[in-house]
This record gives sequence, C-alpha cells and structure tokens, in this order.
Amino acid sequence: AQSVTQPDIHITVSEGASLELRCNYSYGATPYLFWYVQSPGQGLQLLLKYFSGDTLVQGIKGFEAEFKRSQSSFNLRKPSVHWSDAAEYFCAVGPSGGYNKLIFGAGTRLAVHP
Amino acid sequence: DTAVSQTPKYLVTQMGNDKSIKCEQNLGHDTMYWYKQDSKKFLKIMFSYNNKELIINETVPNRFSPKSPDKAHLNLHINSLELGDSAVYFCASSTTGGEAFFGQGTRLTVV
Repeated sequence: AQSVTQPDIHITVSEGASLELRCNYSYGATPYLFWYVQSPGQGLQLLLKYFSGDTLVQGIKGFEAEFKRSQSSFNLRKPSVHWSDAAEYFCAVGPSGGYNKLIFGAGTRLAVHP
Repeated sequence: DTAVSQTPKYLVTQMGNDKSIKCEQNLGHDTMYWYKQDSKKFLKIMFSYNNKELIINETVPNRFSPKSPDKAHLNLHINSLELGDSAVYFCASSTTGGEAFFGQGTRLTVV
C-alpha cells in the first residue's frame, strides 16, 4: 500500500537550533517527493521537491532535504531555525511524471522557542 | 496576483443546504485538484481534472460534484451538507508531471 509516515507529530526546537523532520514512504514505483509547509490559517506552500538527479535538494527559506532510496526516506533539514518557521510540515509522494495524486503524511507541527 | 485562488475563504452553513466553492488558477496549468483536510489536518485527494476531463475520482460521496468549465477553473458543489463535511477544502493546480500549487483553502463549517 502507498503511504507516507511522519513519525514526529510535534517537535519543539529553540530558535537558532538545527532541525530535522523525518519522512518515510512506501510506494510501488520511484515516486516524486515533496515537502509542503502550512502556516496557521494558510494554504500549503511548496518548500522543495525531488524528481530525479542529485539526492540532496535545496528549497526555499533555507530548507534542504535528502532522498535516500535504500531507506525510503526524504528527511527535511534546516541548519538554523527562525521563529517564523513555526508551522505544520507535510511530506508527500506522488507518481513520477503523472498526475499529482499526492499522498500526504499526517504532518509534523513545529514549535520554535525564543 | 494570486496563482490559485478560492472563494469563499470561510463558509458556515446549515445541514441539508447546498453550497459551492470556486477555484481559479492563472498559472496556465492543465490539471486541477480538490483536496480535503480534516480536523486532524490529514490531507486526501478528492478529484482531479486534466483539460476539463475528470481523471481522478476518489471514494467521495456523490453529494460532491466537481465541475470544470475550462482549464483555469474547477468548482466544487456539495449537496445536502452533513456535519461530517466540515473540513478545509484545498484547490490545487499543476502541469502534468509537475508540482502542485495550492490555494489558501476554504474552511467549511456545517452546523
């Protein structure tokens, strides 16, 4: 079955600390992988995506993610978190080259302490 | 200029009513989607249209009917609203094989 697991429901970090949000997926074929961020009361904003090529991808707002095929993981990282990064983060997978029937993880809520 | 825009942003209505949510994208994309986010923030696809043709239709009650008058618009009509329909509904668009861009969402509350 196709699924996305985000093991951490809530994460709290101090401002300036590093961050890693975990994402594991189960998918029949090689998927496209995405991270979206949702600020309170807002829509979903694409942070970054992996389609092919270099397994370390850079996104907006200083985020990066690494695709590890052997571990079926696509973890999101940021070296130094800002208070404005507090939001809900969603990992998603979709069919490569096809229509975006995205399968989302349950999300990780990030809180940032000053 | 908003890329994917939905109206209304908030919708409060009584059980049994019929309501519509409109979505428009100005990105020139050929594929549009409706996603539902429930109270636990879980997101699930409902429908997808490619060039006005329905291509994805998940297990959704037939009280929900999408309509795509053209490539840039995808509306969602809901008949006989139920309490369980309360959720945030997101419209999205993409090129075929490209990433999806989402609207701001419509928070539907059925009372």
